[in-house]
Amino acid sequence: GQQLNQSPQSMFIQEGEDVSMNCTSSSIFNTWLWYKQDPGEGPVLLIALYKAGELTSNGRLTAQFGITRKDSFLNISASIPSDVGIYFCAGRTPGSGNTGKLIFGQGTTLQVKP
Amino acid sequence: DAGVIQSPRHEVTEMGQEVTLRCKPISGHNSLFWYRQTMMRGLELLIYFNNNVPIDDSGMPEDRFSAKMPNASFSTLKIQPSEPRDSAVYFCASSLSVRNSPLHFGNGTRLTVT
Repeated sequence: GQQLNQSPQSMFIQEGEDVSMNCTSSSIFNTWLWYKQDPGEGPVLLIALYKAGELTSNGRLTAQFGITRKDSFLNISASIPSDVGIYFCAGRTPGSGNTGKLIFGQGTTLQVKP
Repeated sequence: DAGVIQSPRHEVTEMGQEVTLRCKPISGHNSLFWYRQTMMRGLELLIYFNNNVPIDDSGMPEDRFSAKMPNASFSTLKIQPSEPRDSAVYFCASSLSVRNSPLHFGNGTRLTVT
C-alpha cells in the first residue's frame, strides 16, 4: 500500500533554533497536510497544501508542496518550548477523490530545550 | 465551536469484555473516520463513513471490530470481545466530503485491555 516516509523520527533542539522535517512518497499526492499532536490530544491541523509548488506560512511555520507532488516539508523558525509535540504529515492521493481519506506519516517527535 | 467529541476519554477493561467507543462529529460534516494510534504502527485508518454509509472498512483488523453510524451526529466503534493487543488510542475525525476538506480530530479514547 501507499506509504509516507517522514523524517527525522525525532529531534531534540535548543530553543530559538530552526527546525525542518519532511515527508516523501513513492506515489503522487494531490493534497499535503501537516498536523501537530500534543500529549493526550488529537492531531490539530497546522497547514494545508493543495497545489504543487505551493508555499504556505502560518506564523513561524512554513510548509511547501513539492513540485514533483511526492514530497513536502515543514519548517519551524525560532522554536519555542510550546512547539514540543509530534508532527505528522498526511497526504491524499488522486484516487481518493472526495472521500477525505488520508495517509499519515510516522511522525516527528520534537523536543525543545529551554 | 464544538469540535469532534469522543467518549469516554479513557477505558480500562478486562480481556473478553465488550468495549464501545462513541463519537459526535462536527455539525455539518458528512464524512467520519475512525483511526487507531499505537507506538508501533502510528495512525491507522480503520473505517470511514460518508453520509452515514460505510465506504471503506478495509482497515478494520478483525471481525471483533464493528462500527456504526446510525445518524449524522453519532458513531460507535465496538470491540467484542476485546483483547490486550487492542490497547491503543482510538481517534474519531470528521470532515466535509468535498475536495480538499481537511480532517478534524477528536481528543481520542485511550483504551487499555488487561
